[in-house]
Amino acid sequence: DQQVKQNSPSLSVQEGRISILNCDYTNSMFDYFLWYKKYPAEGPTFLISISSIKDKNEDGRFTVFLNKSAKHLSLHIVPSQPGDSAVYFCAASRWGYGGSQGNLIFGKGTKLSVKP
Amino acid sequence: DAGVIQSPRHEVTEMGQEVTLRCKPISGHDYLFWYRQTMMRGLELLIYFNNNVPIDDSGMPEDRFSAKMPNASFSTLKIQPSEPRDSAVYFCASRAGGSSYNSPLHFGNGTRLTVT
Repeated sequence: DQQVKQNSPSLSVQEGRISILNCDYTNSMFDYFLWYKKYPAEGPTFLISISSIKDKNEDGRFTVFLNKSAKHLSLHIVPSQPGDSAVYFCAASRWGYGGSQGNLIFGKGTKLSVKP
Repeated sequence: DAGVIQSPRHEVTEMGQEVTLRCKPISGHDYLFWYRQTMMRGLELLIYFNNNVPIDDSGMPEDRFSAKMPNASFSTLKIQPSEPRDSAVYFCASRAGGSSYNSPLHFGNGTRLTVT
């Protein structure tokens, strides 16, 4: 049973346009969410995060939105650049839950292709 | 900061052989995680350590898998005997603890394991 779901395996966007990657979760106890970016033959790298006490966090071209009632978050990239082409993973954790200490549950990823 | 270092990058072995994957976390990081990535299941947490002590190994698929962390700068994941279904990319990750409770994971570049 997947607790974190990324229903779109792939997304293609034109350079300069907005990329919107979506993520749904089922566990209402999750209270911290992150996005990771992964290039081929490399490990995932941290991109941006958001706590459940917020509904938006922005870092340059990247903005993450959280809708707790819908158990949904999204990552917006504006404007998209060819170098953004990668696999994006959504991840969630539970702050302070026993021994979890923030270990992450990942979605399966969305492959973003930004075309020049 | 050299990042998380994993070795080998690629491992090809025959069914029934023992496989040992190695990881050197970032110096000063209190937490170490082993993840496995497959097409079917995405990124799955296998086990994690805090201050060299295994905290949660519920993700370890079966007794053929074992992990150790003899000191703060080294961890191994061993599969004995290996099976073709163990073929995957295995990632090691580390993160800071203490006040950086939800600091992001830093991943190594992974070990691609192929069991024939």
